[in-house]
Amino acid sequence: KNEVEQSPQNLTAQEGEFITINCSYSVGISALHWLQQHPGGGIVSLFMLSSGKKKHGRLIATINIQEKHSSLHITASHPRDSAVYICAVRERGNEKLTFGTGTRLTIIP
Amino acid sequence: EAGVTQSPTHLIKTRGQQATLRCSPISGHTSVYWYQQALGLGLQFLLWYDEGEERNRGNFPPRFSGRQFPNYSSELNVNALELEDSALYLCASLPRGALETQYFGPGTRLLVL
Repeated sequence: KNEVEQSPQNLTAQEGEFITINCSYSVGISALHWLQQHPGGGIVSLFMLSSGKKKHGRLIATINIQEKHSSLHITASHPRDSAVYICAVRERGNEKLTFGTGTRLTIIP
Repeated sequence: EAGVTQSPTHLIKTRGQQATLRCSPISGHTSVYWYQQALGLGLQFLLWYDEGEERNRGNFPPRFSGRQFPNYSSELNVNALELEDSALYLCASLPRGALETQYFGPGTRLLVL
């Protein structure tokens, strides 16, 4: 079993829909990251969370430390949101990042 | 402010050769992380350098090595290349400290023939 599990693996939605991507992990963490990877391979860090909720524009990330679960939400989705979204956890005491396998999101105009 | 830069952008080698990949962190960042993303696979942690020292490494054989220079730039060396080393290699930098957002470079695509 992977230490970081994401769901769904693939998601296709219509423009404007509300998107939710989930991440569950099994290790103790000091922080959780949500990353966005575009087809060219470049990675952008969207959020780093250690508790609660963060919002940036149309993106919202939440984390529940007790349940070892995080969600990334996209409101009013747009075709430019199409990318792979990756959840990564920083293991407590270890400092290395362990990555989920990613969720491929496609937004259809 | 310049972002994280990596060179070369693409690299083609043959099996058994050595590859050297380079990373320049954002000015002021002292930590450099290296990651491998093989085709169809997720990102895997390779190496972490901070203040010139290797702090941690992932589950990769010793032929994956590197170093960090006094200016905090870093090199990743892969010896005795194997076909399965073909991947996108990403580096990321961040300021010293545990809880900071990592800034990723554009990556080097290594193809081993």
